[in-house]
Amino acid sequence: AQKITQTQPGMFVQEKEAVTLDCTYDTSDQSYGLFWYKQPSSGEMIFLIYQGSYDEQNATEGRYSLNFQKARKSANLVISASQLGDSAMYFCAMRGAMNSGYSTLTFGKGTMLLVSP
Amino acid sequence: EAQVTQNPRYLITVTGKKLTVTCSQNMNHEYMSWYRQDPGLGLRQIYYSMNVEVTDKGDVPEGYKVSRKEKRNFPLILESPSPNQTSLYFCASSWGQGYETQYFGPGTRLLVL
Repeated sequence: AQKITQTQPGMFVQEKEAVTLDCTYDTSDQSYGLFWYKQPSSGEMIFLIYQGSYDEQNATEGRYSLNFQKARKSANLVISASQLGDSAMYFCAMRGAMNSGYSTLTFGKGTMLLVSP
Repeated sequence: EAQVTQNPRYLITVTGKKLTVTCSQNMNHEYMSWYRQDPGLGLRQIYYSMNVEVTDKGDVPEGYKVSRKEKRNFPLILESPSPNQTSLYFCASSWGQGYETQYFGPGTRLLVL
């Protein structure tokens, strides 16, 4: 079974500063994918970034980067130059190996990020 | 515009009154899923479908039914809703079965009295 752990229930950051949201995972699969989603107060789920287990370079998407440390089984999200609009709940998720043609997406419990002016 | 739509967005009902939450995607995706989100628990998968007429249980399927008669639609059915099914529900779809990004619907907030 796969498991995602987000140990930070909430984080505060000041506008324009960088922030790291922690995510550790547990899986016995050799091949897997890691995702981060953002959920603003309006409720929708917004895909941010993806990292494959065999990707040698850390994924980046604009101000978002994923600090992937495979040996430590961690996939932290780094947001550079925080903006007020970054205030939201952030979820780390993982898809493991496929069973019968399908791989389940498992979510962590989320981290609430609040950006202050 | 590529999107996943859900209806209704908000629903208040009473215990035992059957309801259906519809989900539709216009991206010709084969894979569709339903999740529920509860405070402190993150998102948990209810059911998923790999194609028309192919569905399987996720982590929390009790009390729910689904059907996939058409590729674009994946309704979630609560035959006899109970208060513990009060939650935020998301439908999602993806074109592949591997690590492709899932596209989420806007969510349906359900309150069962």
